[in-house]
Amino acid sequence: ETGVTQTPRHLVMGMTNKKSLKCEQHLGHNAMYWYKQSAKKPLELMFVYNFKEQTENNSVPSRFSPECPNSSHLFLHLHTLQPEDSALYLCASRDIRENTEAFFGQGTRLTVV
Amino acid sequence: DAKTTQPPSMDCAEGRAANLPCNHSTISGNEYVYWYRQIHSQGPQYIIHGLKNNETNEMASLIITEDRKSSTLILPHATLRDTAVYYCIVRVTDRGSTLGRLYFGRGTQLTVWP
Repeated sequence: ETGVTQTPRHLVMGMTNKKSLKCEQHLGHNAMYWYKQSAKKPLELMFVYNFKEQTENNSVPSRFSPECPNSSHLFLHLHTLQPEDSALYLCASRDIRENTEAFFGQGTRLTVV
Repeated sequence: DAKTTQPPSMDCAEGRAANLPCNHSTISGNEYVYWYRQIHSQGPQYIIHGLKNNETNEMASLIITEDRKSSTLILPHATLRDTAVYYCIVRVTDRGSTLGRLYFGRGTQLTVWP
């Protein structure tokens, strides 16, 4: 248990569905990240939020829409996804001021059918 | 982009030391070496990090060469539960910096056998 919780753990959705992934941490961290891990590929950094402000978007398609309402919660809103978007989506957080290492959640296994 | 090179796979007998190498020949002076591991389909887990001195904690030891172009992660007594993909990452880690994002390569699949 790392203190970073992701829900749901598993999600199956159709290409026309809209769903959201949730990440929360109560570690007092101020930076949160979304990563994507496709089968047999390295983790890809998607979005970075520092103090609730998005500071990085690594050319992620607009069908992925992040939201960070406060420093403890991070969402990834999904709509009109493609089968190739099926992957493990991982959330991480860290404390920029205290310079901690990143703590990862257990991920959401997403399958798009 | 990942700035490290690791062998794709290694084996180790249970109870023996596992030595995982990493090359980072383009490392900058303000970049630290971090190690994480990922057990199948779980989130990556932090192991250890260092700048230029050797480091040790309850999980592992990190040996960094004097020129900082390579390092070795040592698991002193590997167990079956240490079977995982091990990632070596370099990143800036200044206090207060908004940098420090992690870029993962393909890592080394360590298999510990009985």
